Amino acid sequence: DAGVIQSPRHEVTEMGQEVTLRCKPISGHNSLFWYRQTMMRGLELLIYFNNNVPIDDSGMPEDRFSAKMPNASFSTLKIQPSEPRDSAVYFCASSLDPVTDTQYFGPGTRLTVL
Amino acid sequence: TQLLEQSPQFLSIQEGENLTVYCNSSSVFSSLQWYRQEPGEGPVLLVTVVTGGEVKKLKRLTFQFGDARKDSSLHITAAQTGDTGLYLCAGARTTDSWGKLQFGAGTQVVVTP
Repeated sequence: DAGVIQSPRHEVTEMGQEVTLRCKPISGHNSLFWYRQTMMRGLELLIYFNNNVPIDDSGMPEDRFSAKMPNASFSTLKIQPSEPRDSAVYFCASSLDPVTDTQYFGPGTRLTVL
Repeated sequence: TQLLEQSPQFLSIQEGENLTVYCNSSSVFSSLQWYRQEPGEGPVLLVTVVTGGEVKKLKRLTFQFGDARKDSSLHITAAQTGDTGLYLCAGARTTDSWGKLQFGAGTQVVVTP
């Protein structure tokens, strides 16, 4: 079975540009999570969805970040405009249930903002 | 400031040696998880502990949840080069927020032949 799929795997962009990260969760999973990992702050939860509805977005750093889940098989995380401090590895994870089930992480997107 | 403090930050040992990684907090967690992350990949869940004092074994790995549910440890016996990776602990504060995990900064373990 395919795991969580993220694209692109690497993204290099210039400050001020819009960046869109994509995630396809494991089929049948109802919950989807977006994380950011940096050396300084470790792994941080940005937002999570249950049944395509955003449940908790308290980890989203600021209004420049937005996330959508238009259907059960696709989610995007958008940064507009991007800044150098947004450089990090962004992970998407999915699970059958947000409370009791294991979260399965994708391979991540390494974002570099110049 | 990390809610979960992991120590040590880095550990280098030779194959066959034992090691212990710690995860400490001043807060109580309803559950605590341990993950291993390899370069270029996402974290992979190793174990979940939910009961104070609980001990779980996964082959050469032994996980313990503190009696007060504020701390945990991971012990590896006779480490192998395949155990190399970043070990992360993650806790959920209440039973209805298991999805909202808070991660420690991680312990980088390097096992050399």
